[in-house]
Amino acid sequence: QQPVQSPQAVILREGEDAVINCSSSKALYSVHWYRQKHGEAPVFLMILLKGGEQKGHEKISASFNEKKQQSSLYLTASQLSYSGTYFCGTVSTSGTYKYIFGTGTRLKVLA
Amino acid sequence: EAQVTQNPRYLITVTGKKLTVTCSQNMNHEYMSWYRQDPGLGLRQIYYSMNVEVTDKGDVPEGYKVSRKEKRNFPLILESPSPNQTSLYFCASSLSGAGANVLTFGAGSRLTVL
Repeated sequence: QQPVQSPQAVILREGEDAVINCSSSKALYSVHWYRQKHGEAPVFLMILLKGGEQKGHEKISASFNEKKQQSSLYLTASQLSYSGTYFCGTVSTSGTYKYIFGTGTRLKVLA
Repeated sequence: EAQVTQNPRYLITVTGKKLTVTCSQNMNHEYMSWYRQDPGLGLRQIYYSMNVEVTDKGDVPEGYKVSRKEKRNFPLILESPSPNQTSLYFCASSLSGAGANVLTFGAGSRLTVL
């Protein structure tokens, strides 16, 4: 089952902050975050592994709460270039190596 | 340049006419996978491959076939395409299938089945 992301969509003004949440019904051992511009391929932002978190990109950071099976992506002082759709992703823990993406969050930054 | 290359980028075909979308990576990655992206449904995995001759189904494998005869190539085959396979397709690869490894995506292939 897909991780659920919230909000589904958000509109910001330049300089404002945003938080995107990713919640799974199953245990998460790692969480990946990707951003996709319209009509383009998803691009990796950062990865969070069990037991820690990792900042990976510009003014974007993330947290990972294994017990709550949740991850959050924090975008501070948003820029126009942050616009796009954000996906969390994870490898299935069912013993296979299926990769599952979250439902996605559309973010638009206005000047 | 490290990359994943998909071809064709755009294709319009008719119902029942077999087609193959090729995917090639030059990073010596073990894990390769295919996804389809549809409005409102996000990215869904079709098939993945852990290594040469090792493939397994993702969440939406019906109507698709794959093969992994060489490490660098992972073609997606639609034996008898139907209109519900109209979608944007992405190939992606990573060093391995473990959760610590990042997916690198191809540019995408937009397929329309009439």
